[in-house]
Amino acid sequence: DTGVSQNPRHKITKRGQNVTFRCDPISEHNRLYWYRQTLGQGPEFLTYFQNEAQLEKSRLLSDRFSAERPKGSFSTLEIQRTEQGDSAMYLCASTDAGSLGEQYFGPGTRLTVT
Amino acid sequence: AQKITQTQPGMFVQEKEAVTLDCTYDTSDPSYGLFWYKQPSSGEMIFLIYQGSYDQQNATEGRYSLNFQKARKSANLVISASQLGDSAMYFCAMRPNTGNQFYFGTGTSLTVIP
Repeated sequence: DTGVSQNPRHKITKRGQNVTFRCDPISEHNRLYWYRQTLGQGPEFLTYFQNEAQLEKSRLLSDRFSAERPKGSFSTLEIQRTEQGDSAMYLCASTDAGSLGEQYFGPGTRLTVT
Repeated sequence: AQKITQTQPGMFVQEKEAVTLDCTYDTSDPSYGLFWYKQPSSGEMIFLIYQGSYDQQNATEGRYSLNFQKARKSANLVISASQLGDSAMYFCAMRPNTGNQFYFGTGTSLTVIP
């Protein structure tokens, strides 16, 4: 297994457009997380999946953000009507339910909204 | 409320010396896990070490050890025999065992000087 992968690695979009990111976790990991990281900050939790069920979602998460994990494997994060404030690195992480909880992160998708 | 505080925005250490990166946390949950991650300039977060709140001994992983002082709510990372490749951002994180959300600090930038 090559680890967590994310696509695309970079995305430039115009304000008001919709964007979708994909995350492929480590295959045997049933837990998947999405984070947002801005410059000089630590990752900020967005949402959490266990298998295909979205069990937690940050209260800070705008309703323009939606995430899915339809078959309990890969996940997508969609941002509708992007705003300049959405510019950030979007990180995906996965973990095994039987582990201590240590997360394995993907390389991230850097979003720039112009 | 859960909060992680890393008060050292930047640290410098001479190669082969030891360095301590500070982390304090605030939680009302009696049971939680503490994690340290490394983020090199390439961007990918790398798990380093884990400490459970009920663990009696401080965690160690190779050159990394965690100085856990529960009463002070601190979980400092000690890196021994620093190497040039240790230059990176370091993030402290906590996950209360009652939930699945991880809380990250703002990070410390470590520079190892040859």
